[in-house]
Amino acid sequence: GDSVTQMEGPVTLSEEAFLTINCTYTATGYPSLFWYVQYPGEGLQLLLKATKADDKGSNKGFEATYRKETTSFHLEKGSVQVSDSAVYFCALAASNTGNQFYFGTGTSLTVIP
Amino acid sequence: KAGVTQTPRYLIKTRGQQVTLSCSPISGHRSVSWYQQTPGQGLQFLFEYFSETQRNKGNFPGRFSGRQFSNSRSEMNVSTLELGDSALYLCASSPPDRGETQYFGPGTRLLVL
Repeated sequence: GDSVTQMEGPVTLSEEAFLTINCTYTATGYPSLFWYVQYPGEGLQLLLKATKADDKGSNKGFEATYRKETTSFHLEKGSVQVSDSAVYFCALAASNTGNQFYFGTGTSLTVIP
Repeated sequence: KAGVTQTPRYLIKTRGQQVTLSCSPISGHRSVSWYQQTPGQGLQFLFEYFSETQRNKGNFPGRFSGRQFSNSRSEMNVSTLELGDSALYLCASSPPDRGETQYFGPGTRLLVL
């Protein structure tokens, strides 16, 4: 079945450090892939998405490239800020009918000044 | 465009009671999905509704049920509450096609005592 495996956290970085959060997936066909971010006490917000192989999603300095050959969608940012502290979720749109999503376990990021 | 709204935001119930949560999707979105989020299990898919029909269902007991109305608003019901049902319940809406971005509400935090 479809699934997402996400790098375990928590991750603590100093401001301006480079961020990578690993995400790999298992799916039938060619799923759309997503990164969501959750701030304390809030729901999930879409950060970026990619719908086909080699697509690069980007937003607010974050990037992720859909790699079919390695079934990966790693999240990167060149220089993190304190305001990036949140929980990040990798997700895929399932291969079954409808629009069901599978989420990774989430990675908590804390950026210290 | 107004976002996804969920009511109530917070709820305290006792074991054995039942609870109904409500979700109003973004205008024009006809697919509504529900998720349970807990620290131990992460984000788990409950069910997806489209055009008043349940289109997908996760692996939850029959105590968890839902429905969707003709205006796409959705409710979920949990009967005979257990302590383990304490969680953040998230609703997400999207256009109906597979791979469309899901937009999340702020969630309803349920505490079962």
